Amino acid sequence: QKEVEQNSGPLSVPEGAIASLNCTYSDRGSQSFFWYRQYSGKSPELIMSIYSNGDKEDGRFTAQLNKASQYVSLLIRDSQPSDSATYLCAVNRRRALTFGSGTRLQVQP
Amino acid sequence: EPEVTQTPSHQVTQMGQEVILRCVPISNHLYFYWYRQILGQKVEFLVSFYNNEISEKSEIFDDQFSVERPDGSNFTLKIRSTKLEDSAMYFCASREGSGSAQVLAEAFFGQGTRLTVV
Repeated sequence: QKEVEQNSGPLSVPEGAIASLNCTYSDRGSQSFFWYRQYSGKSPELIMSIYSNGDKEDGRFTAQLNKASQYVSLLIRDSQPSDSATYLCAVNRRRALTFGSGTRLQVQP
Repeated sequence: EPEVTQTPSHQVTQMGQEVILRCVPISNHLYFYWYRQILGQKVEFLVSFYNNEISEKSEIFDDQFSVERPDGSNFTLKIRSTKLEDSAMYFCASREGSGSAQVLAEAFFGQGTRLTVV
């Protein structure tokens, strides 16, 4: 079983729609959860962190965490073509982040 | 805004040669990391460094790799004898926090060094 699993996509949504990205993780002892955005050939850029069950909102982004189901999600409202990128879920239990393979999001103008 | 900086942005080296990748972490951060990403694959952890010593390393980080903080600002990754399969993007990252707080701190990544071994 992979430590952090994401659907590779591509997830295609029209401009202005809500994009929903999902991630599951295997280690129940994980304590912190992060979403990064990565444009092709660039480095991961931190979007959101979440530590407690429930929702956390920041602008157009909402992260959701359900530790019982070992599930993390990211909602992007009013999606823009500039949001087209690969979204990486990262989970932390010990000292380092474990990344999923990422979901490629395409926002169609 | 503070950022992690890496040099060079691109390094081409011959198989068997030594390379040193350099990073300047964010100044008040205490934990430093190297990750790599082979083209088309996921970001993989190599090593973490705290208080001038390695705190954790992955199975990828074998004897050909070493890290060092030679002064108060730089953090380096040395690959002693490069192989073709070492070709990848290498990312440096840093985090605030100490002890148990480290696991909650956000990690910020540098722009990466693209290493090409020929």
